Amino acid sequence: NAGVMQNPRHLVRRRGQEARLRCSPMKGHSHVYWYRQLPEEGLKFMVYLQKENIIDESGMPKERFSAEFPKEGPSILRIQQVVRGDSAAYFCASSPPFHADTQYFGPGTRLTVL
Amino acid sequence: AQSVTQLDSQVPVFEEAPVELRCNYSSSVSVYLFWYVQYPNQGLQLLLKYLSGSTLVKGINGFEAEFNKSQTSFHLRKPSVHISDTAEYFCAVRNYTGTASKLTFGTGTRLQVTL
Repeated sequence: NAGVMQNPRHLVRRRGQEARLRCSPMKGHSHVYWYRQLPEEGLKFMVYLQKENIIDESGMPKERFSAEFPKEGPSILRIQQVVRGDSAAYFCASSPPFHADTQYFGPGTRLTVL
Repeated sequence: AQSVTQLDSQVPVFEEAPVELRCNYSSSVSVYLFWYVQYPNQGLQLLLKYLSGSTLVKGINGFEAEFNKSQTSFHLRKPSVHISDTAEYFCAVRNYTGTASKLTFGTGTRLQVTL
């Protein structure tokens, strides 16, 4: 059973461009979470999604950031008009629908904004 | 609201020595507790978790943690560390609920094991 997959692993964007980060949860997992890790800091929750629904987006910045988890395909975290402060590692985690006590993390996408 | 405090940002220790990484939490509801390890440039790997039952929890790689409700602590211990244990360790909590919910992380403790 493959683990949580994220791509790309590294992404470089210039200020003002868009960044799209993809997350494929573990097989059978229907819950997806996105976290951001700024340099020298812990992980901060951004958004929690189930298929076609956003359950909790209390950690998402109000502007430029959006997330989706369509019925088919991976979850996408989209950052529009990136700024240098968006440079961070973005981690996706997934959990199963009925035993959601543990989240399994992907390897992360490291975004660098030039 | 929940919060997690990891008092030590860095812990240097010699190989084969014991180590304790401290974690305290604050929450108005019951919580589940977790320790994750992050090796350089990698994702997070679950070390152990406390959901209910025995307050002493054993995890992978010889680590264990003890849940102390009265002190709201969940300290991580290992009796004898190895060079390969050098990594960042994160304590996390989430609400005790039947449905899934977000994790709240501490700021991490960097364990540096030397010869």
